[in-house]
Amino acid sequence: NAGVMQNPRHLVRRRGQEARLRCSPMKGHSHVYWYRQLPEEGLKFMVYLQKENIIDESGMPKERFSAEFPKEGPSILRIQQVVRGDSAAYFCASSRDRSTEAFFGQGTRLTVV
Amino acid sequence: AQSVTQLGSHVSVSEGALVLLRCNYSSSVPPYLFWYVQYPNQGLQLLLKYTSAATLVKGINGFEAEFKKSETSFHLTKPSAHMSDAAEYFCAVSDPTTGANSKLTFGKGITLSVRP
Repeated sequence: NAGVMQNPRHLVRRRGQEARLRCSPMKGHSHVYWYRQLPEEGLKFMVYLQKENIIDESGMPKERFSAEFPKEGPSILRIQQVVRGDSAAYFCASSRDRSTEAFFGQGTRLTVV
Repeated sequence: AQSVTQLGSHVSVSEGALVLLRCNYSSSVPPYLFWYVQYPNQGLQLLLKYTSAATLVKGINGFEAEFKKSETSFHLTKPSAHMSDAAEYFCAVSDPTTGANSKLTFGKGITLSVRP
């Protein structure tokens, strides 16, 4: 039973490019959460999605960032026109429903050069 | 709004010594509380969680934590440190009234070093 799968594990982008981070939840899980971990910081909540719906995006930056979780396929966190400050580890977690424990993936480490 | 405070960024103990990692929280409602461990370049693994049942919670790898409402604390302890415990530890809180128990607010984390 595979855990939460994130890819790529490492991503390097030049300033101004787009970054796409993928998260495949655990089997049977339809709720996905994205978190960002900046250097020397804890994880910060970004967005909570259920299949085809954004439930809570209160932690998402207002510009350049978007997330989706389509009916089929992985959840995608998209960062347009990346800047150096976007360099961070991005973690995805999934849960079966709203009230059960979430399991974390190994993260995608984005470096903007 | 909720918040978590983990004082200090680094704790160093000798192998076999007591591990004590402190966590204080702020919440306007009775919270759910969590401790996670993160090994280098890895994701987070749940050590234990408090969800309003017993105030002393036992987790994996010999760790336990006690919820103290009067002190708004949820400190993590382990009687005897092992070299393999060296990692970063995060305390987190969620608001169960939202129904989203996995929308977490994290502390900044504490790095635990274990000396031979």
